[in-house]
Amino acid sequence: QKEVEQNSGPLSVPEGAIASLNCTYSDRGSQSFFWYRQYSGKSPELIMSIYSNGDKEDGRFTAQLNKASQYVSLLIRDSQPSDSATYLCAVRRSSYKLIFGSGTRLLVRP
Amino acid sequence: GAVVSQHPSRVICKSGTSVKIECRSLDFQATTMFWYRQFPKKSLMLMATSNEGSKATYEQGVEKDKFLINHASLTLSTLTVTSAHPEDSSFYICSARVGGTGGTDTQYFGPGTRLTVL
Repeated sequence: QKEVEQNSGPLSVPEGAIASLNCTYSDRGSQSFFWYRQYSGKSPELIMSIYSNGDKEDGRFTAQLNKASQYVSLLIRDSQPSDSATYLCAVRRSSYKLIFGSGTRLLVRP
Repeated sequence: GAVVSQHPSRVICKSGTSVKIECRSLDFQATTMFWYRQFPKKSLMLMATSNEGSKATYEQGVEKDKFLINHASLTLSTLTVTSAHPEDSSFYICSARVGGTGGTDTQYFGPGTRLTVL
């Protein structure tokens, strides 16, 4: 079992729709969770961080964390073609290392 | 967010040569930086953790004599790929840790360096 699992996609949604990206992790002791966006050929860009159960909203993005079920999700409202990218879920270990999932490719159709 | 730079952004070299990549935190001090590599259509693979003033900690399977890391100051870490070979061709990305209270630290990534070894 991988430490951080994501569906590779692609997840295809029409412009204006809500895109829902999911991630599960295996280490129940994990405390910090991150979503990064990576465009092709570029480095990851931090989108959201979340540390406690519940929802955290930032503009069109909402991160959701459920530690009991060991999953993290990212909702993107009013999806735009410019949101088309690979979204990486990352979980931080106590050593400050980030463990990344393999990423979910999102395609937003105009 | 915090800004991390990398130089060079792209390098092409001949097999057997050494290549140095610099990672700088521009507007903050980073006691810890990380080096990753990424192959096409794959996720990031952590190579090593670079701590200012001490030896780097390498992940299992990463040759420390091949990938030399130096973190001489709070704003600069360097990765030197020694005696590069075509299989070392990859996208190398650094990140810098910004500390926070209660475990809320965050990593910000540099723009990456694409290395091609001929």
